[in-house]
Amino acid sequence: GAVVSQHPSRVICKSGTSVKIECRSLDFQATTMFWYRQFPKQSLMLMATSNEGSKATYEQGVEKDKFLINHASLTLSTLTVTSAHPEDSSFYICSANGFSQANTEAFFGQGTRLTVV
Amino acid sequence: DAKTTQPTSMDCAEGRAANLPCNHSTISGNEYVYWYRQIHSQGPQYIIHGLKNNETNEMASLIITEDRKSSTLILPHATLRDTAVYYCIVRVGPFYNQGGKLIFGQGTELSVKP
Repeated sequence: GAVVSQHPSRVICKSGTSVKIECRSLDFQATTMFWYRQFPKQSLMLMATSNEGSKATYEQGVEKDKFLINHASLTLSTLTVTSAHPEDSSFYICSANGFSQANTEAFFGQGTRLTVV
Repeated sequence: DAKTTQPTSMDCAEGRAANLPCNHSTISGNEYVYWYRQIHSQGPQYIIHGLKNNETNEMASLIITEDRKSSTLILPHATLRDTAVYYCIVRVGPFYNQGGKLIFGQGTELSVKP
């Protein structure tokens, strides 16, 4: 099946710094990718929709200037958490949809555990 | 997209069938039922989906009632590795030409016990 890879899987950063998380579709082209955030014991919350070659669409309540999304190619989307604070510590997950008609489900990355200290 | 209701948690004995229910009474005619699961600290994994017919694959079976207002995911022989949170999601499909975002509810935490 299709593979979506996230990097890094874990990152610890200091408060006030920025962190970039990459999401790659390894064996298919993804015009659309999605970014989710998950706090402990909670469900996944959709943050934004990343569209190749255009601006991301953010869900209500998500600060677009804090969570910068870039989708410059059909296989890569990046999420940058700017000026990170401890409350941004969370599990960030991306998913991607492909071109092929065989792809009738979303494929998820393995997630990135961000800890801001 | 229609809202779903699932039990918060369930237990199942190893080797037995796990039957996970989902209510989606406001489902529309063009909405599919999708099931995903999330093992602790991993990304969600696709299991199965269906529109109105029952579906089966190597992982599970999906039984959808005739009125489509509820469904049941069946793991025929649960193993300890099936311990996870199972999400039932209703949405317009298929993905590649429908935007494709998934909205997750709280899901069912399935614990498979020896």
